[in-house]
Amino acid sequence: EDQVTQSPEALRLQEGESSSLNCSYTVSGLRGLFWYRQDPGKGPEFLFTLYSAGEEKEKERLKATLTKKESFLHITAPKPEDSATYLCAVDRVGNNRKLIWGLGTSLAVNP
Amino acid sequence: EAGVAQSPRYKIIEKRQSVAFWCNPISGHATLYWYQQILGQGPKLLIQFQNNGVVDDSQLPKDRFSAERLKGVDSTLKIQPAKLEDSAVYLCASSLDFLERPNYGYTFGSGTRLTVV
Repeated sequence: EDQVTQSPEALRLQEGESSSLNCSYTVSGLRGLFWYRQDPGKGPEFLFTLYSAGEEKEKERLKATLTKKESFLHITAPKPEDSATYLCAVDRVGNNRKLIWGLGTSLAVNP
Repeated sequence: EAGVAQSPRYKIIEKRQSVAFWCNPISGHATLYWYQQILGQGPKLLIQFQNNGVVDDSQLPKDRFSAERLKGVDSTLKIQPAKLEDSAVYLCASSLDFLERPNYGYTFGSGTRLTVV
């Protein structure tokens, strides 16, 4: 069964304290893996798409990596404005672009 | 470019009443999605349109939910009658073409927060 699992469920960091969020997946025929950021009361905001193992993408303090079983979202020297829920979703072959979503990691960065 | 527009932002109704949500996708985006997001959960796809045709509605509770996308642009999602468990945020998203490699992913609207009392 297709599954996307994110860990931890919640993470609290001090400003400047780097860490990583994990998204593990079990799907057949990965087409792409997406990272989104969601602020309270807003829709998810697209961050990255990763297509193949070994691929990396960066945006400001965020870096996403992909292996054959999981993806990591590395946050370097986070700031309070990085506080949000980070969602991972997977697109697989033959699923009509219907994304399979994880439950998200709620990140809080304290000043 | 303008984002995905949704209205209303908030709605409170009593159970068994009906409600409708509206979505205007990004201009030129052929694919439109309606998602339901319950607090603390990831989004759940309700229905996916390609232009004005339905691609996937396998998770849409068709006994009470309906959706249409007239002329392949705007879309409405309706619930009739509403149940308490329908309380959630209803998100609309669009993408250029579901057959394309979505380098930028979907673009979501801000959602409609529905509370059924």
